[in-house]
Amino acid sequence: DQQVKQNSPSLSVQEGRISILNCDYTNSMFDYFLWYKKYPAEGPTFLISISSIKDKNEDGRFTVFLNKSAKHLSLHIVPSQPGDSAVYFCAASALGGADGLTFGKGTHLIIQP
Amino acid sequence: EAGVAQSPRYKIIEKRQSVAFWCNPISGHATLYWYQQILGQGPKLLIQFQNNGVVDDSQLPKDRFSAERLKGVDSTLKIQPAKLEDSAVYLCASSLDRIDEQFFGPGTRLTVL
Repeated sequence: DQQVKQNSPSLSVQEGRISILNCDYTNSMFDYFLWYKKYPAEGPTFLISISSIKDKNEDGRFTVFLNKSAKHLSLHIVPSQPGDSAVYFCAASALGGADGLTFGKGTHLIIQP
Repeated sequence: EAGVAQSPRYKIIEKRQSVAFWCNPISGHATLYWYQQILGQGPKLLIQFQNNGVVDDSQLPKDRFSAERLKGVDSTLKIQPAKLEDSAVYLCASSLDRIDEQFFGPGTRLTVL
């Protein structure tokens, strides 16, 4: 039973355009959500997070939106750059982030020149 | 600041053999996690330590997997005996405390033949 779902295995976006990665969750106990970025042969690195008390969090080119009623979050990257090409994992946690993370399967983002 | 260190980086064994992985977290980090990432999946939490105590090991297959963090610093994860389905990347992560950002190591890629 997948509690965090990323339904797009891959996404191709032109350089300079907006990349939108989507994530759905089913567990109502999740109250803290994160996005991680992963390059081949490296561990995931933290990108951005959002608490369930907010509906938006912004950090430079990265913005995460949370729709609690739909149990949906999205990551917007604008403008997209070649270095953004990587696998992006959506993750969720309960207890304000004190629990271990539950990850989605990831979306492979490819930025085309 | 040194990151999370893991060794070995790669390991190939035959089924029914035993194997151990080692993790050295970032200095001062109280919380340590082991995740299993099977090809095409997101990381799955196996065990979470707070100092040298276990917080969550609900997804650890205890009939064959064991983990310890005796002095509250580095940790070992052992599989005995290994099965074909244990082929995966084993990721170690650490955080300052339970609600803080998790930093991941590069992982150990295990292949069971």
